[in-house]
Amino acid sequence: DAGVIQSPRHEVTEMGQEVTLRCKPISGHDYLFWYRQTMMRGLELLIYFNNNVPIDDSGMPEDRFSAKMPNASFSTLKIQPSEPRDSAVYFCASSLQGRNTEAFFGQGTRLTVV
Amino acid sequence: GEDVEQSLFLSVREGDSSVINCTYTDSSSTYLYWYKQEPGAGLQLLTYIFSNMDMKQDQRLTVLLNKKDKHLSLRIADTQTGDSAIYFCAERRDSGGYNKLIFGAGTRLAVHP
Repeated sequence: DAGVIQSPRHEVTEMGQEVTLRCKPISGHDYLFWYRQTMMRGLELLIYFNNNVPIDDSGMPEDRFSAKMPNASFSTLKIQPSEPRDSAVYFCASSLQGRNTEAFFGQGTRLTVV
Repeated sequence: GEDVEQSLFLSVREGDSSVINCTYTDSSSTYLYWYKQEPGAGLQLLTYIFSNMDMKQDQRLTVLLNKKDKHLSLRIADTQTGDSAIYFCAERRDSGGYNKLIFGAGTRLAVHP
């Protein structure tokens, strides 16, 4: 398997624009997580899904953020409208329910909002 | 990651041992993890420990767990320049039959000659 695949790797957008980040989890994994990494706040869990169903979105900063998982092989994180303070690296990770629950991370999307 | 705490920076000399510390909050956490992030990359699992253990050794890595104090540490023996990276501590939290990983802010390890 190619691992968790995220796109794009880099995104630069203007304030007010809509941004969509994409993630393809590892085939067969039943958990998908979205994290955000900043210098100030470290690695924050935004939302996670189990079997395509959102379980906990309490980490989503505000209503401008939304996430979907229409099927087991694809998820999106959307920011509308984007603001400069949304600039961060966004990671997607997937895992398989089990004893260890190792999470496998994608390479991340570096988002810059100007 | 506000509930899992780590110091932000550690600087060591090549060949010395590095010790990275972490405190977590959920006493019912079943697994605790150490992840490594190299520049421009995602996080990769280094090692993990089950909560009923107090020590785990894996080559140059030693994990110590003090469950009473909710304290976890990662010791890297004979630290090399290739060990320079950010190290994240994470705890697995189970709730309602689901589980999630909560990370600390990461400790940036710098290895100098």
